[in-house]
Amino acid sequence: ETGVTQSPTHLIKTRGQQVTLRCSSQSGHNTVSWYQQALGQGPQFIFQYYREEENGRGNFPPRFSGLQFPNYSSELNVNALELDDSALYLCASSRGGGIRYEQYFGPGTRLTVT
Amino acid sequence: AQTVTQSQPEMSVQEAETVTLSCTYDTSESDYYLFWYKQPPSRQMILVIRQEAYKQQNATENRFSVNFQKAAKSFSLKISDSQLGDAAMYFCAYCSNTGNQFYFGTGTSLTVIP
Repeated sequence: ETGVTQSPTHLIKTRGQQVTLRCSSQSGHNTVSWYQQALGQGPQFIFQYYREEENGRGNFPPRFSGLQFPNYSSELNVNALELDDSALYLCASSRGGGIRYEQYFGPGTRLTVT
Repeated sequence: AQTVTQSQPEMSVQEAETVTLSCTYDTSESDYYLFWYKQPPSRQMILVIRQEAYKQQNATENRFSVNFQKAAKSFSLKISDSQLGDAAMYFCAYCSNTGNQFYFGTGTSLTVIP
């Protein structure tokens, strides 16, 4: 196994609510990236955090925000949930501020918005 | 924006045979990174193979090799001596040279027939 963990495994929220997803990176990794994977689709890059700073962002609105902590774990926050936010959210960690190298993925958090 | 296209939603191969998965991409950058990731059912995504655009030599990892055609913006994956454990969703992915943007294709579901 890769060592990247995510919590919770599954989550059900109501439209308009807010949600926080958590990710613990693999030991020695200082970069965390978040992806949204809708059913039957490829993952879409949300953003990347390197040394507690956002270091790249995909085409997602500001209601998707994140944090990275001194131990390099990370949170993804989504405000004002919409039905289309229902997806598998993947976290991946890597070394050295670059996702040009190997990323290690977590098992994901399945978010359902009703 | 960069795009990654996988035109084969599903592929199948006989065990021990060879299969090639196709991927094309669009970019205006000259330096970038390309990847193939494997996502087994209900399991974590793992890196299969990685190619730097500035390297002319095609990457190889055991039974997995790529055919990288930079001018054609093509990046196919060849799996030799296919095994039952190769059955999974395969994603082609592109990473910018700066390492702060990452794009996945829509995936190819590979079935290995015993």
